[in-house]
Amino acid sequence: DSGVTQTPKHLITATGQRVTLRCSPRSGDLSVYWYQQSLDQGLQFLIHYYNGEERAKGNILERFSAQQFPDLHSELNLSSLELGDSALYFCASSVAGGMSTDTQYFGPGTRLTVL
Amino acid sequence: AQTVTQSQPEMSVQEAETVTLSCTYDTSENNYYLFWYKQPPSRQMILVIRQEAYKQQNATENRFSVNFQKAAKSFSLKISVSQLGDTAMYFCAFMVSGGYQKVTFGTGTKLQVIP
Repeated sequence: DSGVTQTPKHLITATGQRVTLRCSPRSGDLSVYWYQQSLDQGLQFLIHYYNGEERAKGNILERFSAQQFPDLHSELNLSSLELGDSALYFCASSVAGGMSTDTQYFGPGTRLTVL
Repeated sequence: AQTVTQSQPEMSVQEAETVTLSCTYDTSENNYYLFWYKQPPSRQMILVIRQEAYKQQNATENRFSVNFQKAAKSFSLKISVSQLGDTAMYFCAFMVSGGYQKVTFGTGTKLQVIP
């Protein structure tokens, strides 16, 4: 158990809908990262938040957005869902996020299925 | 941009034997970190081992060790005395030290440990 929690574990929804994925980092970790793992794209970095502020964006679609709250949990919002958004979404956390580098520990993931 | 290449999509090893998974990467950076993550059938991403590029000594974690060749940009994982629980997908990953902490993953090697 990495100490990172993600809810829900599974999510099934229809095209065009909007969903919210939630992540709670390890105690003491200030950084949260979101990744998407799909069969054809592999593991892709989406976005990084550090202590409530966005730090880096990767291959994140405009239909997707995220935020990190004062209690450091993070939410990833996916809207206007398409079939191709079906994937496993991972959250990871680390202590740092500034100019130091730290190992990222992953949560169990949320499996999103868009029908 | 950084790239990570895992040229072995699938491998198998007899229980108690040793296996080596290959990984090469490409970067113009001098300070970075390399990781091996394990993803068992449960889909959890588990950190196996980490190597700082500035360290010449190869990292070791129990039965797991790496062969880090910085000049050749090679980072292989050796699993000794393989166990059935080692059956998983293994991802090689790269992260630049400092600044934005995006992790770039390889496409993975599926390892099957045969009883």
